[in-house]
Amino acid sequence: GAVVSQHPSRVICKSGTSVKIECRSLDFQATTMFWYRQFPKQSLMLMATSNEGSKATYEQGVEKDKFLINHASLTLSTLTVTSAHPEDSSFYICSARDGAYSGNTIYFGEGSWLTVV
Amino acid sequence: AQKVTQAQTEISVVEKEDVTLDCVYETRDTTYYLFWYKQPPSGELVFLIRRNSFDEQNEISGRYSWNFQKSTSSFNFTITASQVVDSAVYFCAFNTNTGNQFYFGTGTSLTVIP
Repeated sequence: GAVVSQHPSRVICKSGTSVKIECRSLDFQATTMFWYRQFPKQSLMLMATSNEGSKATYEQGVEKDKFLINHASLTLSTLTVTSAHPEDSSFYICSARDGAYSGNTIYFGEGSWLTVV
Repeated sequence: AQKVTQAQTEISVVEKEDVTLDCVYETRDTTYYLFWYKQPPSGELVFLIRRNSFDEQNEISGRYSWNFQKSTSSFNFTITASQVVDSAVYFCAFNTNTGNQFYFGTGTSLTVIP
């Protein structure tokens, strides 16, 4: 079946630095990808929707200058957490929609644990 | 507005007991999709089932079964003869035919005690 891969699965970075998380669709073209954030013992909250070749659409309350999303190709979207702070520590998960299929076939990545120290 | 409610925050059962996880959704759309995902401690979301709004047939897959009732806007999930490996957080989710966004419930943490 279709696979969405995230990298890295775990990352620790120092406060003030930036960190990039990649989301790749391995065997299909993803016209749309989504980024979610999950705090411990909480639900997944949509951060932004990225469409290939255009700017991402951010949900209310999400700082677009802090969470940079780039969807430069049909198989890759990246989330860059800029000037990371400890409160950015969270589980980030992406999902991708198979553009070749008209139904709601959406696949989730394995997620990335970010710890900012 | 779209909304998914999982009223049960945490459930503990003894191994081999049956357990039902509740899910209630709200929407004005007539076409939509309902999902259940399992999230083990490692974090990844494991897809369990997808059901569209026009298919109210209940489904059984091994020890798992789902009861979809449009009249009560519910999509409940039952695990029969629970096992320790079933311990995880289970999310009910919803999306519409027109949008791609998933609306997740707050999750139910299931602990199966050996």
